[in-house]
Formats: sequence, C-alpha cells, structure tokens
Amino acid sequence: DTAVSQTPKYLVTQMGNDKSIKCEQNLGHDTMYWYKQDSKKFLKIMFSYNNKELIINETVPNRFSPKSPDKAHLNLHINSLELGDSAVYFCASSGTPALEETQYFGPGTRLLVL
Amino acid sequence: AQSVTQLGSHVSVSEGALVLLRCNYSSSVPPYLFWYVQYPNQGLQLLLKYTSAATLVKGINGFEAEFKKSETSFHLTKPSAHMSDAAEYFCAVSGLTGNQFYFGTGTSLTVIP
Repeated sequence: DTAVSQTPKYLVTQMGNDKSIKCEQNLGHDTMYWYKQDSKKFLKIMFSYNNKELIINETVPNRFSPKSPDKAHLNLHINSLELGDSAVYFCASSGTPALEETQYFGPGTRLLVL
Repeated sequence: AQSVTQLGSHVSVSEGALVLLRCNYSSSVPPYLFWYVQYPNQGLQLLLKYTSAATLVKGINGFEAEFKKSETSFHLTKPSAHMSDAAEYFCAVSGLTGNQFYFGTGTSLTVIP
C-alpha cells in the first residue's frame, strides 16, 4: 500500500486553466504539507495543515488554495494557471506538526503549463 | 538569509570511494537537522535526522552524519559509494524560527563505475 499518494502523476494544461491535485495518506498522520520543487530542484514549503486546520501558509499567490476535507486528505487547487506554476508538487505528511518529525513524501505531481 | 546551505550542487565520486556531502546551517540555537534523498522521479525519503540526542547519527543505506555545533555543520558521509547511491540529497532544518521547515538547494551525487 502506498503511504502517501498523489493524483495525477502528470498534468499538462494550458495557461489560464484551473486544476486540482489530490493527496491522500494512509499513515494515520495528523499533519500534511504541500511543497513546490522548481526546475533547479529547489524545494519550498507552500502550506501545512494539522487536523484540517491551516498552520503554515507561506507567501504563495492566492490562486493556490489548499483544502483538507479530513486529516487523511489535502488537495491543492490552482486557479488561472501561469507558466511559472510549472514545477513538481509534492505532498507530505508527518505524525504531528512537531518540528523534529519525519516527513513522508508522495511521488510528486509534475505540472506543465503551456 | 539562507537558513541551510549545501556546498556543491554536484558531487562525483568513484564507486567504493568516500561520499561527503556538506551542509551548514545558520542559527545560534541548535535546530533539528535532516538529510533526505530523492531518487529520479520519486519523492523524498528520510536518510537520517538529528534531534538533540547523539551528535553522530546513523541512517539507512550506510549513511551517517555528525552534528558539529561549533562549525554549525551536519555533513553527510558514507565510507564506500555504491552505484545505487546516485541521487539528489537534501539537507533540511527546522526549529530556527516559528514552525518553519527549510530545505537546502540539494546536491546531486554521481557515482562513477
């Protein structure tokens, strides 16, 4: 069983479209994260939720809106996609939001905006 | 200011040689420190972490790292490189400010047969 799964794995879309990426974890963790990895492999946290509550909200355009229907799911919706949104988006989870916790990453969603 | 710095974006070693990947952090308070590995087209997985217990931390796949407060470093080492070690390695730090978690810019390790 995959611990942290993301769908879709690949997403190719046109500028201006709206798209969603879904993430699910079956580890029983309380905390989930979204990261963006750019073409130079730089990895930056975007959001973090603990038990469906937003706890980290980095400086991210408000076109990005996370939604956590329950603590096992954290989805990312992106409005009005731009070329610069092209990246790999990783979902992760950890048992608690404690800073020493190990994070478990999904396989990534490769988004290409044309 | 950069919270965590990885020196050398690309490192090449011969199979069987020592692997040394460098990581320095900027903080007056010992943070939590992590090394993650990313194999091609995969997510990151934890190699090891320092959480204020033993300063020499052993991880998976024969890797280890030593926390040196005086040098604000947490370098990753492995005595003998295998071909399967070729991957991207990320140092990460948390506990510096608020509830933030920062990754370094990564070091790509190539192992030469």
